[in-house]
Amino acid sequence: DTEVTQTPKHLVMGMTNKKSLKCEQHMGHRAMYWYKQKAKKPPELMFVYSYEKLSINESVPSRFSPECPNSSLLNLHLHALQPEDSALYLCASSQDNPTNEQYFGPGTRLTVT
Amino acid sequence: GENVEQHPSTLSVQEGDSAVIKCTYSDSASNYFPWYKQELGKRPQLIIDIRSNVGEKKDQRIAVTLNKTAKHFSLHITETQPEDSAVYFCAATADSSYKLIFGSGTRLLVRP
Repeated sequence: DTEVTQTPKHLVMGMTNKKSLKCEQHMGHRAMYWYKQKAKKPPELMFVYSYEKLSINESVPSRFSPECPNSSLLNLHLHALQPEDSALYLCASSQDNPTNEQYFGPGTRLTVT
Repeated sequence: GENVEQHPSTLSVQEGDSAVIKCTYSDSASNYFPWYKQELGKRPQLIIDIRSNVGEKKDQRIAVTLNKTAKHFSLHITETQPEDSAVYFCAATADSSYKLIFGSGTRLLVRP
């Protein structure tokens, strides 16, 4: 299985809501990533987990809270988001470092109203 | 930190022609250079990658070249087909970093 799955596909939330994005892989990868992608822009790294430990936080606002419950799962908890946070949120995974291929999930299209 | 510049931002070619996309990077420690293709509404997918110990790599109609001295690498697509139309991103990273730095993207349109 060479696939990264993400749920939900689409999410609309108000600025006071709390929601979570989920990502799963069963390739035995030990590095997992959250990216944010705005239209016509490249993916922008948010967080990196290596061996279930947070290794990179790219100065992301605290309204985004990542969690890695186990080696196969990655969550992104959302709270009090702003309309400018509307974007495609991509999860990716790789063998233990990024000089191996990163496999991207299909993304969650998030709209904040 | 690493910075990757990509050109052109848009490229329109006739079906059957070749397309070339160029990237330059700034960090001499970078040693892995993947290329991703992203179709509209889809996930980025790796199409080819190259490591710093190799100067060129080919996979059917796609090839990548790397010039470490000049710090640039290029994607070459021959015999383009309409299904090659997409946005292409180059990227660079080093063993010491978990950060994959993307170029700004090239929108390729192959006209039938």
